[in-house]
Amino acid sequence: GDSVTQMEGPVTLSEEAFLTINCTYTATGYPSLFWYVQYPGEGLQLLLKATKADDKGSNKGFEATYRKETTSFHLEKGSVQVSDSAVYFCALTGGYQKVTFGIGTKLQVIP
Amino acid sequence: EADIYQTPRYLVIGTGKKITLECSQTMGHDKMYWYQQDPGMELHLIHYSYGVNSTEKGDLSSESTVSRIRTEHFPLTLESARPSHTSQYLCASSELVGAQETQYFGPGTRLLVL
Repeated sequence: GDSVTQMEGPVTLSEEAFLTINCTYTATGYPSLFWYVQYPGEGLQLLLKATKADDKGSNKGFEATYRKETTSFHLEKGSVQVSDSAVYFCALTGGYQKVTFGIGTKLQVIP
Repeated sequence: EADIYQTPRYLVIGTGKKITLECSQTMGHDKMYWYQQDPGMELHLIHYSYGVNSTEKGDLSSESTVSRIRTEHFPLTLESARPSHTSQYLCASSELVGAQETQYFGPGTRLLVL
């Protein structure tokens, strides 16, 4: 079946550091890929998505590129802020329209 | 911007009580979901619905039940709450564009059973 593997946290960075959160997947067919963000005490918010190979999703300074050859969708941001502290979930929608989530990666940004 | 609502946001209740967690969306989405989120953050699908009068069990066995009488409303009920039900419950609905599905989440209900 479909699966999503993302790096375990927590990830602790200083403000203005470069962020990468790795995500790889296995899926049948041509999945759509997503990153969601969950701030403390809230539900998940869609951060960005990509629907086909080589697409780049971007939002709020975050980017991720759909790499079919490496089955990856790594999340990056050039300069993190304290307000980016949250849990980040990688997800995919596979062939049977089922959504599969990764385990979540907690990011803590310190001033 | 998605419009999906959950009430209550926080609930503290005693063992044995019956509770209903409400979830509503105003986007006309057919598919809706309930997830249970444990303290380690991982999401577990407990129920979903393809539309009115459709309900299915998810990957994680749950003692809760759901109903879908109206498109916009997908309540979750626990007939007799227990401390093991303490968790955060997230409701979601999804937009389907062609074969591509995007989920939108409510703010969650944090449940504490004493």
